Amino acid sequence: RKEVEQDPGPFNVPEGATVAFNCTYSNSASQSFFWYRQDCRKEPKLLMSVYSSGNEDGRFTAQLNRASQYISLLIRDSKLSDSATYLCVVNPSGTGGFKTIFGAGTRLFVKA
Amino acid sequence: GAVVSQHPSWVICKSGTSVKIECRSLDFQATTMFWYRQFPKQSLMLMATSNEGSKATYEQGVEKDKFLINHASLTLSTLTVTSAHPEDSSFYICSARKLAGTGNEQFFGPGTRLTVL
Repeated sequence: RKEVEQDPGPFNVPEGATVAFNCTYSNSASQSFFWYRQDCRKEPKLLMSVYSSGNEDGRFTAQLNRASQYISLLIRDSKLSDSATYLCVVNPSGTGGFKTIFGAGTRLFVKA
Repeated sequence: GAVVSQHPSWVICKSGTSVKIECRSLDFQATTMFWYRQFPKQSLMLMATSNEGSKATYEQGVEKDKFLINHASLTLSTLTVTSAHPEDSSFYICSARKLAGTGNEQFFGPGTRLTVL
């Protein structure tokens, strides 16, 4: 089993749609969780951290379910510019550790 | 800000040559930098963790004699791909870690696309 698993997609949605991605992780001791966005042939950029209580940033909502060991990302009112690959990122060691595990990414295409 | 640069952004070389890639943190000091490799349509794979002033820590399956890492200062880490072969062609990305609030955010360089002929 991979340490971090994501549905590769692609998700093809129309503008304005709501889309949700899930990600599961295998290490129950994992402490830090993130969603990154990666555009084609570019480096990943941090989209948002994921906190235990859930957090929202504009059209983006991230949630963490420790019991089931998954995190989710919800995008509301999708824009064309949201088309990208979304990477689920887990730091198994907490704030004191350095190893970060990346999921393979979920590809999103938003169409007009 | 937290800007990380990489040089070169792309390189094409002949099989058997060595290629050096630089990673710099431009506006902050990074005691730890990370080197990743990403093949098309695959996730980033951590190759090694680069620690300033000490030897790098390599992930399982990564040859330390082939991928030489030097972290000579708090703002510069270099990755040298020695005797490169076509299978080494990939997108190499570095990142530097910056402690931020309740989590540890990594800032990524723009990547270096290596093509070995």
